[in-house]
Formats: sequence, structure tokens, C-alpha cells
Amino acid sequence: DAGITQSPRHKVTETGTPVTLRCHQTENHRYMYWYRQDPGHGLRLIHYSYGVKDTDKGEVSDGYSVSRSKTEDFLLTLESATSSQTSVYFCAISGRGLVTEAFFGQGTRLTVV
Amino acid sequence: AQSVTQLGSHVSVSEGALVLLRCNYSSSVPPYLFWYVQYPNQGLQLLLKYTSAATLVKGINGFEAEFKKSETSFHLTKPSAHMSDAAEYFCAVSESGNTPLVFGKGTRLSVIA
Repeated sequence: DAGITQSPRHKVTETGTPVTLRCHQTENHRYMYWYRQDPGHGLRLIHYSYGVKDTDKGEVSDGYSVSRSKTEDFLLTLESATSSQTSVYFCAISGRGLVTEAFFGQGTRLTVV
Repeated sequence: AQSVTQLGSHVSVSEGALVLLRCNYSSSVPPYLFWYVQYPNQGLQLLLKYTSAATLVKGINGFEAEFKKSETSFHLTKPSAHMSDAAEYFCAVSESGNTPLVFGKGTRLSVIA
């Protein structure tokens, strides 16, 4: 799994509560990404980072924020969880060489009730 | 803007038969193209990637894909399906080496004994 750890792997939370998902890498890759996977939608980009403290929005960023204070950690925060944010969240990394594929973590299954 | 269309959300083949999963892309610049596989409850694993070196790309597990610029296609094939190939397959495009991947909606492959 290319040295990517997502935590927690499963979480159930209540509507309106904040939730933070963590992605930790041991590969020293520059780029990190958060995607969500939903049936019929494939994977959609939420936010990504191209370096420490450098982040940008993706296709479905509303309701999410991110932070990257260290190369190895990329945090995704749901500011006030809603049922529409029930999903499987994947972290990915890339950045070794001119053209590289993305390596994915095992995912976090989040249920908002 | 980049986009990927995967034709067929579900494909079913008999064991030993040809596997053909279709992917068409849209990109304003020469693209980088990827195929990923996802087994149940796991993250995504790279099958193969096209980075302009050769139009026919060979990947893991006997899969290959051919880049056809005139057809804007990058279809995935395998001559003989195995039961272990049952999974979901995603095609993805990137406009440069480390820009975020844009994914198709995925094709679920079933293999019938």
C-alpha cells in the first residue's frame, strides 16, 4: 500500500458534528489527495496538496477543509457532518519522478446518522 | 477540462473469455492515462499507465491497454478472464505528471464459471 495509512478505517458520527480523517504517508511524496467514492460516481476529488501548507480545492470541496502542516500528514475535516457526506474516503499520494501514478490508502468508511 | 467516460457500469464475461473494458477520455493536452483495479473493501491498485512512450501498454495480471489518439480511447483488455479478475475497474486521466487524476465512474467486472 505504498506506506499510506488512513485513520480511522471506520467511523459513525452524528449529523452536525465535526469529523477529522487522517492520512499518513512514509514515502515522502510531495502530492497528497483526498477523494470520496460513491456508487455511480466513481472517485471524486475533494482537496489536494502540492506541498506543506499548499492546498487547493477539488470538484466536491464544499463542506470540507484540509490541512497539511507536515509532509507526511494530510488531514480532512468535515466541518459539520451531513448525511450526504456518508461515503468512503480515500487518500492518495504521488510525486516521485516526472510522471507518476497515484498510490491509494485502504479507505475510511464514514457513516453520518 | 479533462473527463473520462467508461462505457458499461457492469460487464459480465465467462471464465476464459476475452475481457474488454472501454474508456474514452477528453483532454485539451496530450493526456496521461491510467487503469486501476479495486477489489472489495480495498483501495485502488494500479494496473497500467500510458505516458506517451508506447501506445500499447502492458500491465499486471495479463492486462493491456492501447492508446488510440484518433478515437480518444484507452480500452483495457485481457485475452482470457480468470475468476480472480472479478473487481471494479477505473480509468483515469491526468493532464500532467502530478495533477490530480480525474476518474471515470467505474466498471464492475463479473466472471462467470
